[in-house]
Amino acid sequence: NAGVTQTPKFQVLKTGQSMTLQCAQDMNHNSMYWYRQDPGMGLRLIYYSASEGTTDKGEVPNGYNVSRLNKREFSLRLESAAPSQTSVYFCASSEAGVTSGYEQYFGPGTRLTVT
Amino acid sequence: KNQVEQSPQSLIILEGKNCTLQCNYTVSPFSNLRWYKQDTGRGPVSLTIMTFSENTKSNGRYTATLDADTKQSSLHITASQLSDSASYICVVSGGSGGSYIPTFGRGTSLIVHP
Repeated sequence: NAGVTQTPKFQVLKTGQSMTLQCAQDMNHNSMYWYRQDPGMGLRLIYYSASEGTTDKGEVPNGYNVSRLNKREFSLRLESAAPSQTSVYFCASSEAGVTSGYEQYFGPGTRLTVT
Repeated sequence: KNQVEQSPQSLIILEGKNCTLQCNYTVSPFSNLRWYKQDTGRGPVSLTIMTFSENTKSNGRYTATLDADTKQSSLHITASQLSDSASYICVVSGGSGGSYIPTFGRGTSLIVHP
């Protein structure tokens, strides 16, 4: 099992460009998440999908859109990239809600730089 | 507001020594607390999970404690190894965030020197 995979690993964008970060999991998990991690900050939730067919905003959703393509895949789109979106992006998945004790499994991250 | 505070921010120790990392939280109601290890350039990996009724849980050389009354947790690392160099993140679930939104601490960066 590959677990959670993310593509690309690195990306450099110019301000105003758009791109989609891809995430897939092979653990048959119901819930998927997108986080960003900035230096000196904790992981911050951008969007999550509790189950296939649903998506909800997290703490910092502005400037992003998501698509839960199927149970395996959850993509994150930046429509018009800004330098403030320079960050490391992590996708995660869990069998169900974390308050029930289900572990979040994280992907290796995508390092995005917006110039 | 749900908050998780970790201390120290960073820590340098010699190989073979023990260390303790702290986590204080204000998340209420409390469901569970996890400690994650994040190696440089990798995603976080869970070390332990603790629920309200658990005081101590071990995973090899890692021992987590929880005091739900004072809302404090600690992660003790015994006989440190170079591979323990990483960021350790305390994550608390529950509170007003709902079932899918845990609260992350900023992490403690641990460096183990030979």
